[in-house]
This record gives sequence, C-alpha cells and structure tokens, in this order.
Amino acid sequence: ESVLTQSPGTLSLSPGERGTLSCRASQSVSSSFIAWYQQKPGQAPRLLIYGASNRATGIPDRFSGSGSETEFNLTINRLEPEDYAVYYCQQYGTSPRFTFGPGTKVDVK
Amino acid sequence: QVQLVQSGAEVKRPGASVKVSCKASGYIFTSHGITWVRQAPGQGLEWMGWISVFSGDTNYSQKFQGRVTVTTDASTATAYMELRSLKPDDTAVYYCARQGISGFSYFALDYWGQGTLVTVSS
Repeated sequence: ESVLTQSPGTLSLSPGERGTLSCRASQSVSSSFIAWYQQKPGQAPRLLIYGASNRATGIPDRFSGSGSETEFNLTINRLEPEDYAVYYCQQYGTSPRFTFGPGTKVDVK
Repeated sequence: QVQLVQSGAEVKRPGASVKVSCKASGYIFTSHGITWVRQAPGQGLEWMGWISVFSGDTNYSQKFQGRVTVTTDASTATAYMELRSLKPDDTAVYYCARQGISGFSYFALDYWGQGTLVTVSS
C-alpha cells in the first residue's frame, strides 16, 4: 500500500505570491491516479486537479499540477485571498481505492 | 446541476449503529461510483469505502472492514453508509463523493456531499 506524504505542513504566503505544495508517494504511481483537493473550514473538499495536471471544471488557471512517479506538485500562482485553505493530494489504487495525504495548510504570511 | 445531499447530524451512544444517506441529483446515478470519506475533528481525510452503483461491487478500507456497509437504492438515487459498533473516536464528519467517469477523472472524486456530523458519546 502506497502512502502519501505532503510538505510543508503549513505554507505561509502573502496575496499575489506563488506557492508550491509537494506530495510524495512511497511507491511509484501513475500520474493518471493523482488528484488534488482544496478544503476550506466548514466546507467539503473541492476537486482542483485530476490526472496530476488537469484542472477540474471551473478551477482558475492559477492552479496547476505537475509531477511523475513519486513526486507531485500543486502550484498556486498569484495567490488570491480565497485560496487560503488546506490542500490534500490523493491517489487511486485497487485497495484501498482512494488514499489521501495528510494535507498542507496555506495561511497568511 | 450535480448535487449530493446528505442526511442530518446524528448523535449516537457507543456500540450503536448509524446510517447516513446521500441523495444524488443532476446526473445518471448508475453511471458513477460513490465513495465515503470521513474527517475527524481537526484531522485529515480518511477513505472508508466505495461502491459501483452500476454493479453493486464494493471495496472497503481494511480499517473498517466488517464494521461498514455501503449500499445504494437506484430507485431513489440514494447511497447509504452504515457504520456499526460505534466508538467515541468515530466522531467525525462523514462525506459521500462521486467518482468521475471520463478519462483521468475516473481516478478522482469530482462532487462531494455537504457532510454529516456523527457524534458518538455516552
């Protein structure tokens, strides 16, 4: 079973800055199987990126995903005030079918 | 528009069972899998189980195997998650989520319910 780790635990950014969030898998995984979610307090998670680099419907182009094998990144360009949230990476497998990383909190610098 | 609407908050005693519902609308219910994910207070996301609405096939996290059952009722476009033998550390928000079907979105969860808080306390 592949385990996901995310770094940093907290990323402090100012509006307008660029930030890169990392997700590392303990075993090589197809980039097709990697997704990223955003969760704000009191809300359900929202799909941002699937297939490692494809933006979900309605997601602004300041969000981008990249990576392969065991290293995946979510980049937020020109951070907007509404982007302060917790971000989770997720991988798909046979069993367990979905595995989530522990999350990275993006907060105000 | 796609919506997943979950049942309301529950308070249960240790040892009891809870059944959370998730009513889908805005899409063909049998075309997408449904997954259940929980989130304990202040914690991350934890996958519990999955069902293919079309075939009825299920897949459960080993952690919950034997204690959780996921079902669907196509006639009402509703999915259910039952968790038995509740313990205080089952206190969490429980989410249903729809699995995508096109291309790489199949490997992600594209719509989520609003969450149901289940509190387990004596």
